[in-house]
Amino acid sequence: NAGVTQTPKFQVLKTGQSMTLQCAQDMNHNSMYWYRQDPGMGLRLIYYSASEGTTDKGEVPNGYNVSRLNKREFSLRLESAAPSQTSVYFCASRYSGTGSYEQYFGPGTRLTVT
Amino acid sequence: AQSVTQLDSHVSVSEGTPVLLRCNYSSSYSPSLFWYVQHPNKGLQLLLKYTSAATLVKGINGFEAEFKKSETSFHLTKPSAHMSDAAEYFCVVSYQPNFGNEKLTFGTGTRLTIIP
Repeated sequence: NAGVTQTPKFQVLKTGQSMTLQCAQDMNHNSMYWYRQDPGMGLRLIYYSASEGTTDKGEVPNGYNVSRLNKREFSLRLESAAPSQTSVYFCASRYSGTGSYEQYFGPGTRLTVT
Repeated sequence: AQSVTQLDSHVSVSEGTPVLLRCNYSSSYSPSLFWYVQHPNKGLQLLLKYTSAATLVKGINGFEAEFKKSETSFHLTKPSAHMSDAAEYFCVVSYQPNFGNEKLTFGTGTRLTIIP
C-alpha cells in the first residue's frame, strides 16, 4: 500500500515550457487535491476533484489545469510555466463521506522555473 | 468563511521541556480542526484531529491539543520535547461546502526547533 505517490520529485523548467505533474493513490479515495506550498504561506489549494469526472477550482487556479484521469490518478498541468510557479506541489487524497476525514499527502514535487 | 492564525512562526525549546504551539481559528461553521506535521523535505502527516467529540484530543508521538470554543483556540502541546519533534507544524481548519468534499484552510506554519 504505497498511499499517495507523486512524480517527478524534482523538476527545473524554463519560462514558457510546459509539464504535467502526476499523482496517484491506492486507497480507493474519491476526493483528490493539488496544493502549492510557498515559504511563510502554508499550503494553498490549486484544484480539487470531489469524485471521478469532476474538478473544481481552489484558491489559486490561474496558470494550471487538471485532469482526473480515473479514480486513482489526478494530474496537474502547467501549460506555460512562469517563475511565480516556482514552488513545492503536494497532491492529497481523502475518503469521502459524512463527517471529517483526514487528507493523505504525497511526498511533494519541487519545481523551479527559471 | 474561515481562517487560521498560528501565533508563532518559530518556536525553540530545549530537549525534555514542554512544547506549546498556538493556533486560533475562525469559522462560520462548527469546525473540524487538525494539526499536521511536516519534517524537512517530506509530505504532511496528520498528528491529530478534532471533530466535535472530546475537546481534549490525543495524537501521535505524545502530542495533544485542546479545543476551546470560547477562546477559538486549538493549541498543540507535548509534555517533553524530543529531538525528533523538530519540524514544521500546521494548524488546519476544514469545512464541507458540499457532501463528500472537504476543503482545508492552512495556517502559515510554526517551525519547531529543539535545542540539545
